[in-house]
Amino acid sequence: AQSVTQPDIHITVSEGASLELRCNYSYGATPYLFWYVQSPGQGLQLLLKYFSGDTLVQGIKGFEAEFKRSQSSFNLRKPSVHWSDAAEYFCAVVPLSGAGSYQLTFGKGTKLSVIP
Amino acid sequence: KAGVTQTPRYLIKTRGQQVTLSCSPISGHRSVSWYQQTPGQGLQFLFEYFSETQRNKGNFPGRFSGRQFSNSRSEMNVSTLELGDSALYLCASSLEGSGGGVPNIQYFGAGTRLSVL
Repeated sequence: AQSVTQPDIHITVSEGASLELRCNYSYGATPYLFWYVQSPGQGLQLLLKYFSGDTLVQGIKGFEAEFKRSQSSFNLRKPSVHWSDAAEYFCAVVPLSGAGSYQLTFGKGTKLSVIP
Repeated sequence: KAGVTQTPRYLIKTRGQQVTLSCSPISGHRSVSWYQQTPGQGLQFLFEYFSETQRNKGNFPGRFSGRQFSNSRSEMNVSTLELGDSALYLCASSLEGSGGGVPNIQYFGAGTRLSVL
């Protein structure tokens, strides 16, 4: 079955430490890939996306993600976490389709806590 | 440019009632999608509207419906509310569903939090 998996429900890191959030997908063909962030009481903000090309993608707020086809993964990284990064992070996909409409399919999310 | 605006931000209803939520997309955006977010099921796609037509629909019962107006504003309606409908309902807008086969970015509103008592 097609799915998006975020194995870590909750991660706690110290401020200044590095961060990696995992995302794996199960689709016949590589879908379009996204990472969104949701702060408490807020909607979703796009951090970065991967459609094709360079497998290392740069996003906003100092985040980057690496697409690895062999591992069906699209992991999110940040070299040095700030307290303001505490939020919930969602990996999402859009399957390849010739249709004009598309829908985002989300992982269950990873909640990030940051220790000062 | 103003972002996606959802009203109201909070709603409290009782079982059996119906509710209407509103979404004003970013100016110039013609596609509006709705998602339901709950702690148990996560984020799930409800439906997408483009040019006043429902173009895609998720796996939700017929109690969930929506529409889009000529100015691209969208409403969703839930009839005969159940306790399980308590959720954050998110609206997202994009220029179109996709252009040249590549998805246009969806921009999300802050959501409407619905509590069903």
